[in-house]
Amino acid sequence: NAGVTQTPKFRVLKTGQSMTLLCAQDMNHEYMYWYRQDPGMGLRLIHYSVGEGTTAKGEVPDGYNVSRLKKQNFLLGLESAAPSQTSVYFCASSSRGTGSYEQYFGPGTRLTVT
Amino acid sequence: AQSVTQLGSHVSVSEGALVLLRCNYSSSVPPYLFWYVQYPNQGLQLLLKYTTGATLVKGINGFEAEFKKSETSFHLTKPSAHMSDAAEYFCAVSGPNAGKSTFGDGTTLTVKP
Repeated sequence: NAGVTQTPKFRVLKTGQSMTLLCAQDMNHEYMYWYRQDPGMGLRLIHYSVGEGTTAKGEVPDGYNVSRLKKQNFLLGLESAAPSQTSVYFCASSSRGTGSYEQYFGPGTRLTVT
Repeated sequence: AQSVTQLGSHVSVSEGALVLLRCNYSSSVPPYLFWYVQYPNQGLQLLLKYTTGATLVKGINGFEAEFKKSETSFHLTKPSAHMSDAAEYFCAVSGPNAGKSTFGDGTTLTVKP
């Protein structure tokens, strides 16, 4: 199993450009999450999904949109990138089956907005 | 509502010394508690978790943590640090059957030779 994969690994955008980050998991997990990680601020939840076709806002959703058209994929979109969105983005997934929802993380995408 | 406080953003120990990383939580429901480790330029991976039952839980790489309800703590320990333990460690809390976790700000562990 590949686990959780993220595409791309690195990206540089100019202010105002748009992009989509792709997350894929092959563990048949129901839940998927997008976080951003900034120095000294831990992980902050952007959006999450409890199943195919459903999404919900997390702690810092402004400036981002998501879609979960297939159970194994969770897309994070930036419509008009801003320098404040420079960060490392992590996708994660978890299963309802264990009841404890421990999360499995991807390797991250490092995004720089200039 | 849930929250996590990790005491000390940076901890430095000598190789072979005890590792103690502190985590306190608040939760309005019985908590599920987790420690994750993040090595440089990688994603987080689960070290150990507490859900119910035995309050002392053992994880990978010789780490363990003890759930103390009276102190609302879930400190992470390892008797003897190894150079390969140098990483960032995150404590997290969730409720039973809750799909979201709240993460602490992380503690960076440095191991000196």
